[in-house]
Amino acid sequence: QQQVKQSPQSLIVQKGGISIINCAYENTAFDYFPWYQQFPGKGPALLIAIRPDVSEKKEGRFTISFNKSAKQFSLHIMDSQPGDSATYFCAARSSGSARQLTFGSGTQLTVLP
Amino acid sequence: KAGVTQTPRYLIKTRGQQVTLSCSPISGHRSVSWYQQTPGQGLQFLFEYFSETQRNKGNFPGRFSGRQFSNSRSEMNVSTLELGDSALYLCASSLDLNTEAFFGQGTRLTVV
Repeated sequence: QQQVKQSPQSLIVQKGGISIINCAYENTAFDYFPWYQQFPGKGPALLIAIRPDVSEKKEGRFTISFNKSAKQFSLHIMDSQPGDSATYFCAARSSGSARQLTFGSGTQLTVLP
Repeated sequence: KAGVTQTPRYLIKTRGQQVTLSCSPISGHRSVSWYQQTPGQGLQFLFEYFSETQRNKGNFPGRFSGRQFSNSRSEMNVSTLELGDSALYLCASSLDLNTEAFFGQGTRLTVV
């Protein structure tokens, strides 16, 4: 019940296109959903996060869509750039006793020039 | 503001040895969490510290331990190293419990 399922495992997009990464969860106690971006040799960097009281959050070219009833959330990267090529992780956390981040398995995004 | 600092960046150890990794959180942050990242298992939670107390622990054997000091700096220790402990160990700091977590660059541990 702690699992967060992420898809696709890898994604290739043309420059200027839209990248979409999806995540699904089971634990209804999760109440915080961040996305992290990780470049090779670096630690994950917080990109954007959402709480379930809103259905969408946008920051620049990055948008999180959240569907509470379906227990799904997704990351949309508009106007994808080669510099966006990285591994993206979704995560989820509850505010209860088990406060650790539970991560998805990651999506390796490649944006072709 | 300086980010999360982890030292050392790289370590090579022999099976059976022990290792200590260090993490300095962002100034003012009081919560530190540790994660293990491997290609096979992904990112897995090890433990969380707040105000020098372990608040939460993941599903790792007792060989993995940690502590937090009064200045919020944290260390994790792995005893009797096994080949499977080879991984990137990541430290994340948060201002408080239930706030955003910011990761360091990690310590790459190789056990030979």
